[in-house]
Amino acid sequence: EVQLVESGGGLVKPGGSLRLSCAVSGFTFSAYGMNWVRQAPGKGLEWVSSISSGSSYIYYADSVKGRFTISRDNAKNSLYLQMNSLRAEDTAVYYCATASSVGVFDTWGQGTLVIVSS
Amino acid sequence: QSALTQPASVSGSPGQSITISCTGSSSDIGGHDYVSWYQQHPGKAPKLMIYDVSNRPSGVSHRFSGSKSGNTASLTISGLQAEDEADYYCSSYRSNNTVVFGGGTKLTVL
Repeated sequence: EVQLVESGGGLVKPGGSLRLSCAVSGFTFSAYGMNWVRQAPGKGLEWVSSISSGSSYIYYADSVKGRFTISRDNAKNSLYLQMNSLRAEDTAVYYCATASSVGVFDTWGQGTLVIVSS
Repeated sequence: QSALTQPASVSGSPGQSITISCTGSSSDIGGHDYVSWYQQHPGKAPKLMIYDVSNRPSGVSHRFSGSKSGNTASLTISGLQAEDEADYYCSSYRSNNTVVFGGGTKLTVL
């Protein structure tokens, strides 16, 4: 069974940092691109970042470029999102999702909530 | 990065068909066949329903279908069932190697 489990969310002050993790199992992690997608409370989905299977290609939404860093460790079957200079508008549930093809988010984790507030 | 445009809400009675539109531009929907649709029930993670405009993942009901014309994509649900009541989001690849979502459509089954 394919499983994606996010962790690392929590309450952080504006300007602070947080590192999210996504542990995966049930499929060959190293063969898939991965993504982070977020959803602010009561709002729609927003794509955040993507990373190719071998980490050669990395892309970010303009809203997080320069502040967030996506990475992966294929040996540990894990995806990460380092979030720096956090703002109130970064408050959201953050989901990791597999990408079997361009812009296709096949399987999603249950999400981890990040709250940026003083 | 402007979101794709979806109607805020649609509704239909059990057994009926409904269509949700998703309008973008030549940089996303009109320029690529990488349109996906997701279903999200309250408190749950999104679920992929349609990818590459009109393809259904294994396990998704044949009642769900997708299409595209110009800069607008559409999701049609036929034979509406109570369990279809959910939020639906479209997404598209954009020419600058990013992905954009629609604002979401709340489907109510009357």
